[in-house]
Amino acid sequence: EVQLVESGGGVVRPGGSLRLSCAASGFTFDDYGMYWVRQAPGKGLEWVSGIFWNGGDTGYAQSVKGRFTISRDNAKNSLYLQMNSLRAEDTAVYHCARSTESGFEGAADCWGQGTLVTVSS
Amino acid sequence: AIQMTQSPSSLSASVGDRVTITCRASQDIRNDLGWYQQKPGKAPKLLIYAASSLQSGAPSRFSGSGSGTDFTLTISSLQPEDFATYYCLQDYNHPLTFGGGTKVEIK
Repeated sequence: EVQLVESGGGVVRPGGSLRLSCAASGFTFDDYGMYWVRQAPGKGLEWVSGIFWNGGDTGYAQSVKGRFTISRDNAKNSLYLQMNSLRAEDTAVYHCARSTESGFEGAADCWGQGTLVTVSS
Repeated sequence: AIQMTQSPSSLSASVGDRVTITCRASQDIRNDLGWYQQKPGKAPKLLIYAASSLQSGAPSRFSGSGSGTDFTLTISSLQPEDFATYYCLQDYNHPLTFGGGTKVEIK
């Protein structure tokens, strides 16, 4: 069974940092591109970042570019999101998702349940 | 970034109704569009990919059509479990972008 499990969320002050992790199982992790998608409370979905199967290319939403860094460790079947200079508007549930392709331009066919990040003083 | 305009933002319908949701892209995205269903407190689920291909496990009452800039999700006969919020997502290029969502409520 394909499974994605996020961790690392919590409460952080504005300007602080947090690192999210996503543990993948049930599929060959390094065959697929991966995404982070977030959803602020009561709002719609927002694509945050994507990464190629080998980590060779990455992409970001304009709202997080320069502050967030996506990475992966294929040996550990894990995806990461390093979030720096956090703002109140980054408060959201963060989901990791699998792309149907090896890059990061494909449908998101499997999703984790998400981890909540709250940025508040 | 490509903008996705989804309509309506909400609708009320009865069990058995035919429901149509549309998404319009700000530029040609070929058929690189997916439709997702999300229920409260749950992760989104992929229903349709490549504009018209039914994802494995998705009910056949869901169908998608369109290419270029205009796309449609149709639910042929609304079932109680279909009351949810639906989103389109363009995966033509990054940054990928979602539509604003359509909340389907019980009439």
